[in-house]
Amino acid sequence: RKEVEQDPGPFNVPEGATVAFNCTYSNSASQSFFWYRQDCRKEPKLLMSVYSSGNEDGRFTAQLNRASQYISLLIRDSKLSDSATYLCVFTGAGSYQLTFGKGTKLSVIP
Amino acid sequence: DTGVSQDPRHKITKRGQNVTFRCDPISEHNRLYWYRQTLGQGPEFLTYFQNEAQLEKSRLLSDRFSAERPKGSFSTLEIQRTEQGDSAMYLCASSWDRARGAFFGQGTRLTVV
Repeated sequence: RKEVEQDPGPFNVPEGATVAFNCTYSNSASQSFFWYRQDCRKEPKLLMSVYSSGNEDGRFTAQLNRASQYISLLIRDSKLSDSATYLCVFTGAGSYQLTFGKGTKLSVIP
Repeated sequence: DTGVSQDPRHKITKRGQNVTFRCDPISEHNRLYWYRQTLGQGPEFLTYFQNEAQLEKSRLLSDRFSAERPKGSFSTLEIQRTEQGDSAMYLCASSWDRARGAFFGQGTRLTVV
């Protein structure tokens, strides 16, 4: 099983739609989880951390399910400006690195 | 601008040449990472510093790659005897707490011809 798996998409959704991405991870000792956003040919930018209790930031909601080893990102009322690649990231025990998934591409269509 | 700064932004080099990139992290961050990213892939970890100590290197990292952070502030990444397969975006990130994620610079895009 790969360390982290994301559906590469693309997810093509109309403006105003709700869209959700999942990301599974294999290391049960993973400690911290994040979603990053990356625009084409730009650097990744931290979108939000992910907590077991779930957390919300405006139209974005992130959730962690440790039992099933996945994290999710829900985007409500999609905007054109949400078009980007969304990367799931985690830290593991015994390593200092942040491990990135390959990303899920989202295109919001007018 | 108090973000992570990388220099140069673009580098074109001939195969076999050596290149060096610089990263200036956010000033209060003691943790510094180097990553490499190619088209359609997520960033791939290269190495990690905590202050001036290099605490982790990717097992995949060729011995042609070396990184330093001599005074625990800026860092350099050198690639010796570049190969076409080294063409990628090289990203630097810094953090003060791994649990809070890391912040990336704009990257150095390397093209080896």
